[in-house]
Amino acid sequence: NFMLAQPHSVSESPGKTVTISCTRSSGSIASNYVLWYQQRPGSSPTTVIYEDNQRPSGVPDRFSGSIDSSSNSASLTISGLKTEDEADYYCQSYDTSNWVFGGGTKLTVL
Amino acid sequence: QVTLKESGPALVKPTQTLTLTCTFSGFSLSTSGMRVSWIRQPPGKALEWLARIDWDDDKFYSTSLKTRLTISKDTSKNQVVLTMTNMDPVDTATYYCARSYGSWYSDFDYWGQGTLVTVSS
Repeated sequence: NFMLAQPHSVSESPGKTVTISCTRSSGSIASNYVLWYQQRPGSSPTTVIYEDNQRPSGVPDRFSGSIDSSSNSASLTISGLKTEDEADYYCQSYDTSNWVFGGGTKLTVL
Repeated sequence: QVTLKESGPALVKPTQTLTLTCTFSGFSLSTSGMRVSWIRQPPGKALEWLARIDWDDDKFYSTSLKTRLTISKDTSKNQVVLTMTNMDPVDTATYYCARSYGSWYSDFDYWGQGTLVTVSS
């Protein structure tokens, strides 16, 4: 099994841009899609990115996803930060029969 | 409208077996491509995928927990049941059921509200 490593926390000011990384421990990041979920306190997670860089309907285009094979990592970038973006963010991927979540990153917008 | 709701005991004792039920509406688990997973989250910690059952009754388990987990479905009742044996205080968590539909790699697009299970004597 592989693991997905995320920074424990990031913080940035409203209006700025923040990037959250997700590094795969073994196997290629490009071999399986990466998804990103947002979880606000007291709520269930919701999808903000699927298939590496696709946004579900209703997710603003301030959210974008990418992968970088050279660092074997995926990234979630949020531009034009709003206070409502403050939440925990989890990356997720899979292999043949396991679905793996990253450790989560707490985003503070201050 | 798709909804899922978890139910089960709020408190279990160490070594006991936990049985959780996910009751859903707005979709059928007999529809090709439909899948339901169980995911848990210890207080203040990360999400952890536990198990998945597919429309064709294929079942998948977390490698680290597979000896303790059993997932099953009752399509007529729109329910998915997860049992976890030999509960331990480290299993204290909010347990979610979540739907995915379509491709093998589809996202968990609908989640239940979660149910908190505490393991304590």
